[in-house]
Amino acid sequence: DVKVTQSSRYLVKRTGEKVFLECVQDMDHENMFWYRQDPGLGLRLIYFSYDVKMKEKGDIPEGYSVSREKKERFSLILESASTNQTSMYLCASSLSPGRSSYNSPLHFGNGTRLTVT
Amino acid sequence: EDKVVQSPLSLVVHEGDTVTLNCSYEVTNFRSLLWYKQEKKAPTFLFMLTSSGIEKKSGRLSSILDKKELFSILNITATQTGDSAVYLCAVEEGGNQFYFGTGTSLTVIP
Repeated sequence: DVKVTQSSRYLVKRTGEKVFLECVQDMDHENMFWYRQDPGLGLRLIYFSYDVKMKEKGDIPEGYSVSREKKERFSLILESASTNQTSMYLCASSLSPGRSSYNSPLHFGNGTRLTVT
Repeated sequence: EDKVVQSPLSLVVHEGDTVTLNCSYEVTNFRSLLWYKQEKKAPTFLFMLTSSGIEKKSGRLSSILDKKELFSILNITATQTGDSAVYLCAVEEGGNQFYFGTGTSLTVIP
């Protein structure tokens, strides 16, 4: 079974702090994603990565950055946390289409609920 | 310009009822449509559909895709309280982009 692990379930940070959210997957997936989930807005893509050191902006990258130094790890960074970044953050991974003859679903971590005060 | 639209937004039913959840989409390079169930934490994968007209089934849940009309339905028969959750529909567009609907919140009353 694919396991996607997010380092924290709950985090409380102060406005202006630098925040790191870590995600690790154990299935050698090429693709990794960071979403935020807010009531009424669904899941919105922040950043994704197709490979080590590669990153692509999603729909709402402002105020965030990411790092993918190793294949299994994808970090989301809030350079200076703000109250409007209070949300549930979900990490996900999937297999690259080129590596499999079948489509691969997204596999999610358990989420990190971040509160910025 | 939502790419994935789910309906209804919420639903309250009694145990034993049958429910149908809807998902319509509009993407240019469709690869697959996925259904997820989300309770308190991470969405859990239910189905992936790539071909029209082929029903996927797992116990009391089933789903079908219509690529001509660009929609999918998720059916749950003989609902139980454990089916209470948010059901998410996502569409994969070529290049591994996944677009999600806002979900349907299902509450099953005993």
